[in-house]
Amino acid sequence: DIQLTQSPSSLSASVGDRVTITCRASQSIRNSLNWYQQKPGKAPNLLIYVASTLQSGVPSRFSGSGSGTDFTLTISSLQPEDFATYYCQQSYSTPGWTFGQGTKVEIK
Amino acid sequence: EVQLVESGGGLVQPGRSLRLSCTVSGFTFGDYAMSWVRQAPGKGLEWLGYIRSQAYGGTTEYAASVKGRFTISRDDSKSIAYLQMNSLKTEDTAVYYCTRSTRYNIGWYSTYGFDYWGQGTLVTVSS
Repeated sequence: DIQLTQSPSSLSASVGDRVTITCRASQSIRNSLNWYQQKPGKAPNLLIYVASTLQSGVPSRFSGSGSGTDFTLTISSLQPEDFATYYCQQSYSTPGWTFGQGTKVEIK
Repeated sequence: EVQLVESGGGLVQPGRSLRLSCTVSGFTFGDYAMSWVRQAPGKGLEWLGYIRSQAYGGTTEYAASVKGRFTISRDDSKSIAYLQMNSLKTEDTAVYYCTRSTRYNIGWYSTYGFDYWGQGTLVTVSS
């Protein structure tokens, strides 16, 4: 299976900060990379699909970039409701879709 | 409004079986692939498998960790997806989510994303 490694595993940030989370694939996955946000006790929510396309209804402060093996999720100005855990996920190799281990964004 | 509702979770003994259901509304169920994803307590997300829409053969794919023990099926007439879990182990304890898997066509290849999720159902495997 293709492994996805997210960094950092956790971070502390303040409201208004620019936050960047990276996801590295163990081999090229072209742009078959999605990002999800999960809040405690809730199901994940799709933020970005195909590396850089914003899901309908997701605020424009979220953006994604990258292709091949290296991808980035950026939150341009962190809001109180953005404190959550973020996961990347690839669906390039079938079977064997995988998630990254998650990045927890906490209040500083 | 798109809704996915899982049911069938609960406490089950190791070695026993359980079938989860995912009842959907708000979209044409037969047009979409459906996936199952689980999350063990305090852990990350694990994709279990998916079933394609009938337009793509209605076939299934599974993660290596559950292949041979778990089976995904669908009833398009009832808008329900199922996850049959056999020979359950304590490590199968998790919240199980069903997801709508939307296909994105990108030039010569396609990929999928999980754009709608159910609320999850807890499965506890314990004696």
